[in-house]
Amino acid sequence: GAGVSQSPSNKVTEKGKDVELRCDPISGHTALYWYRQSLGQGLEFLIYFQGNSAPDKSGLPSDRFSAERTGGSVSTLTIQRTQQEDSAVYLCASSLMTGYTFGSGTRLTVV
Amino acid sequence: AQSVSQHNHHVILSEAASLELGCNYSYGGTVNLFWYVQYPGQHLQLLLKYFSGDPLVKGIKGFEAEFIKSKFSFNLRKPSVQWSDTAEYFCAVNSNYGGATNKLIFGTGTLLAVQP
Repeated sequence: GAGVSQSPSNKVTEKGKDVELRCDPISGHTALYWYRQSLGQGLEFLIYFQGNSAPDKSGLPSDRFSAERTGGSVSTLTIQRTQQEDSAVYLCASSLMTGYTFGSGTRLTVV
Repeated sequence: AQSVSQHNHHVILSEAASLELGCNYSYGGTVNLFWYVQYPGQHLQLLLKYFSGDPLVKGIKGFEAEFIKSKFSFNLRKPSVQWSDTAEYFCAVNSNYGGATNKLIFGTGTLLAVQP
């Protein structure tokens, strides 16, 4: 597609449930990033995939968070045993070289 | 630690006023610098970027930014703001210095409200 696609756009889940967020990057973009955007916190880096290299997971806030990127394309961010503090907008971006394109995000609400 | 600071968290201006939003970073080595804008209800859009060359960078919608290496700064400016500039503005930096991966680190953002 023409842009980075994220699904779902909104997700409401109960505390303690697991959620999966999906990102379809721009075709041909070798790098994929996940960020979390919370009110007053800016954009917090979570994880970065670059080609076949080991991902940079240094931003994941706890072991409840994990991400995969299959076939160098689609990525899934999984949050296990969700907590209320996980409520945020989760943004995905892809890039080729140093141009970054962001998706519209998934707004996660944990109730 | 590598970080990006935006000291203005909330700015309120009248139309036609001049704008300057501060951005400072703490990285060594070569950096790439970006300003992104997020209009209400929309996704992040690139305003401008600096990789090398002329430190004064022109972006879309009349915005510009100046890279001052000695001050580790990349402030965003616009001579005359419009109501439609109401948005949140994010400064971002990436660097390969010290073996860091090419991840983009953002500041906490500045919320700009322009009053008609």
